[in-house]
Amino acid sequence: LAKTTQPISMDSYEGQEVNITCSHNNIATNDYITWYQQFPSQGPRFIIQGYKTKVTNEVASLFIPADRKSSTLSLPRVSLSDTAVYYCLVRSYNFNKFYFGSGTKLNVKP
Amino acid sequence: DAGVIQSPRHEVTEMGQEVTLRCKPISGHNSLFWYRQTMMRGLELLIYFNNNVPIDDSGMPEDRFSAKMPNASFSTLKIQPSEPRDSAVYFCASNRDRGETQYFGPGTRLLVL
Repeated sequence: LAKTTQPISMDSYEGQEVNITCSHNNIATNDYITWYQQFPSQGPRFIIQGYKTKVTNEVASLFIPADRKSSTLSLPRVSLSDTAVYYCLVRSYNFNKFYFGSGTKLNVKP
Repeated sequence: DAGVIQSPRHEVTEMGQEVTLRCKPISGHNSLFWYRQTMMRGLELLIYFNNNVPIDDSGMPEDRFSAKMPNASFSTLKIQPSEPRDSAVYFCASNRDRGETQYFGPGTRLLVL
């Protein structure tokens, strides 16, 4: 399992765009990059997944450079309800174990 | 779909007692995962099943922990005897196939006194 490194915490204000970068230097050819979100007292919830370049859905965007050694989760115009822990995972479709790491605690202020 | 269902949501017990946590995965999902989350160690995978068969239990802390999946719609995680250091939130998750998105239950908050 490729290990990931991401900031322990980040602060932001409502209405701002938040970018959380994750490094995964040992990512393998078959690995995908997946992000989960966890609110207090809840289980993690899938946000977005990508393999290369850019992926966008109704919640977030994921930017992956050509070397795939890092990725950036972008949350547009955050609100207080986006305060949560965000986990970056690297996983293979050939392998069903997920390594969650420590995550990034995002604190959105009014 | 009701999502992954876990029971109980909260459990308080005394050291030495047996604790049984229960999980009902999403219908149609054939893989089930048990995780433990603490402030110190984060989210750790304990064991996972595929088609009711334990595939990887390398995360199970010790012999006091055991997990079963008697059928596709039910799994248990048992701790016997329980110890204060077992206090944590235990999550169950399921997915349809290897590599697919995992869906988590609401968790069971366990406190061992």
